[in-house]
Amino acid sequence: EAGVTQFPSHSVIEKGQTVTLRCDPISGHDNLYWYRRVMGKEIKFLLHFVKESKQDESGMPNNRFLAERTGGTYSTLKVQPAELEDSGVYFCASSPGTSGPQETQYFGPGTRLLVL
Amino acid sequence: GENVEQHPSTLSVQEGDSAVIKCTYSDSASNYFPWYKQELGKGPQLIIDIRSNVGEKKDQRIAVTLNKTAKHFSLHITETQPEDSAVYFCAASYNQGGKLIFGQGTELSVKP
Repeated sequence: EAGVTQFPSHSVIEKGQTVTLRCDPISGHDNLYWYRRVMGKEIKFLLHFVKESKQDESGMPNNRFLAERTGGTYSTLKVQPAELEDSGVYFCASSPGTSGPQETQYFGPGTRLLVL
Repeated sequence: GENVEQHPSTLSVQEGDSAVIKCTYSDSASNYFPWYKQELGKGPQLIIDIRSNVGEKKDQRIAVTLNKTAKHFSLHITETQPEDSAVYFCAASYNQGGKLIFGQGTELSVKP
């Protein structure tokens, strides 16, 4: 069974540009989460999809970040325009959605974003 | 707000020794506590988890203990091996939605 995949693995962009990150969850998983780790700090929650609906977007830092999950399969996270403080590693995780909120979340390898 | 504190930030042990990482959480409603291991260039991988109705859980060389009264939980790795070297994250969650609140991470180095 394929795990969570993320694309690209690395992205280097200039301040003011736009970047779109993609996450493909494990097939059949209803829950999809986005997290971010900035500069060696803790991994922070950004948002949570249940199928195509946003269940919780309390962690989204500001309106420069837009997440979508059309059709309830893969998800994209767009940063527009990117700022220096957006640099970090963006992780996606998924869980089945069949046994409650204490399910194991399976993480992807992350996208390393550097904004210059 | 929700917060998880993790200590130490770095830990160096000799191969064969034990390693202990400790976390405290602020939200008394938290009832699920997973531990993740992150190796270089990879995403976090679950190594063990514990739920609030259990005080201790063990899986081979790894054990986790939970003290709900004190709101802290710990990871114990016995007979450490060089391949245990990685960054370890604790996390806490509760019933609403399942978002994980992570600690700051502990970089464990096991010297052969």
